[in-house]
Amino acid sequence: GDSVTQMEGPVTLSEEAFLTINCTYTATGYPSLFWYVQYPGEGLQLLLKATKADDKGSNKGFEATYRKETTSFHLEKGSVQVSDSAVYFCALSRAGANNLFFGTGTRLTVIP
Amino acid sequence: KAGVTQTPRYLIKTRGQQVTLSCSPISGHRSVSWYQQTPGQGLQFLFEYFSETQRNKGNFPGRFSGRQFSNSRSEMNVSTLELGDSALYLCASSPHRGTDTQYFGPGTRLTVL
Repeated sequence: GDSVTQMEGPVTLSEEAFLTINCTYTATGYPSLFWYVQYPGEGLQLLLKATKADDKGSNKGFEATYRKETTSFHLEKGSVQVSDSAVYFCALSRAGANNLFFGTGTRLTVIP
Repeated sequence: KAGVTQTPRYLIKTRGQQVTLSCSPISGHRSVSWYQQTPGQGLQFLFEYFSETQRNKGNFPGRFSGRQFSNSRSEMNVSTLELGDSALYLCASSPHRGTDTQYFGPGTRLTVL
């Protein structure tokens, strides 16, 4: 079945450090891939997405590239800020379906 | 546009009771999906409604049910509550079926004592 495997956390970085959160997936066909972010006490916000192989999603300095050959969608940011502290979820959905499969989430804490 | 709204934001119930949660999607959105978030199981899909019909269902017992109204608002109901039903219940909406992006509400925090 469809599944997402996400890098275990928590991750603690100093401000301006480089961030990578690994995400790999298992799915039939060509799923769409997403990164969602959850700030404390809030619901999920879409951070970025990619719908086909080699697409790069980007938003707020975050980037992720849909790599079909390695079934990966790693999240990166060149310089994190304290305000980036949150839980990040990798997710996939199959074409035509409205149910998301989520990874376990990675808690990021950025210290000044 | 206003975002997805969920009411109530917090609920405390006791075992054996039942509960109803409400979700109002973004205006114009016709698909509503529900998810359960717990520390142990993470985020799990409950069900999806479109045009007042359940279109997809996750692996949850029959105690979990839902419905959608003609204005696309949705409710989910949990009967005979168990301690393990304590969770954050998230609702997400999208314009129609097969749309990639789902937009989430803030969630309803249910505590079962």
